[in-house]
Amino acid sequence: GESVGLHLPTLSVQEGDNSIINCAYSNSASDYFIWYKQESGKGPQFIIDIRSNMDKRQGQRVTVLLNKTVKHLSLQIAATQPGDSAVYFCAEKRWHTGNQFYFGTGTSLTVIP
Amino acid sequence: EAQVTQNPRYLITVTGKKLTVTCSQNMNHEYMSWYRQDPGLGLRQIYYSMNVEVTDKGDVPEGYKVSRKEKRNFPLILESPSPNQTSLYFCASSLLGHYNEQFFGPGTRLTVL
Repeated sequence: GESVGLHLPTLSVQEGDNSIINCAYSNSASDYFIWYKQESGKGPQFIIDIRSNMDKRQGQRVTVLLNKTVKHLSLQIAATQPGDSAVYFCAEKRWHTGNQFYFGTGTSLTVIP
Repeated sequence: EAQVTQNPRYLITVTGKKLTVTCSQNMNHEYMSWYRQDPGLGLRQIYYSMNVEVTDKGDVPEGYKVSRKEKRNFPLILESPSPNQTSLYFCASSLLGHYNEQFFGPGTRLTVL
């Protein structure tokens, strides 16, 4: 069946290094891909989104790359800080299901001081 | 303060006893949604609403009901809870046309015995 947001479950990086969080998907009917951050004990928080006809989008200290050929999405965090420690989810919105969202399983990022 | 509130935050109940989890937002958002979060499964959308009196099923609607009589409120109703509905529930809202940027509530941890 179709899979959404297959993540590596954990990632550890040194403070100050760049982080790359990856997400694979199988459904080609998505019109948007979105990244959320969830800190311990809190609800998810929107980080950045990218339309499916784009390859790259940059935000503040974050960059999202979309490779539709291999159905791969990544979130790059520059100069990772301790406050970036959280679980990161990719999600997709599929145009043919209206405004319904599908979330991946998440990657837990730990920043080592 | 702009926020999404959920009540109760924690609830332990027994099988078959009807319950309602309330959700309210003060941002005048049109779009509201309910998710459940289970270990290893990420977030799964239960129901969503594009506006007052408009609701649609998400990925896992079985066993749940919702209503949207007012713009600010979107209660989640479990008519006859079962142990497999034990989960962490999140309500979220967003502006019309900015669906991806969802604002999440703090979560409700429900245990059904």
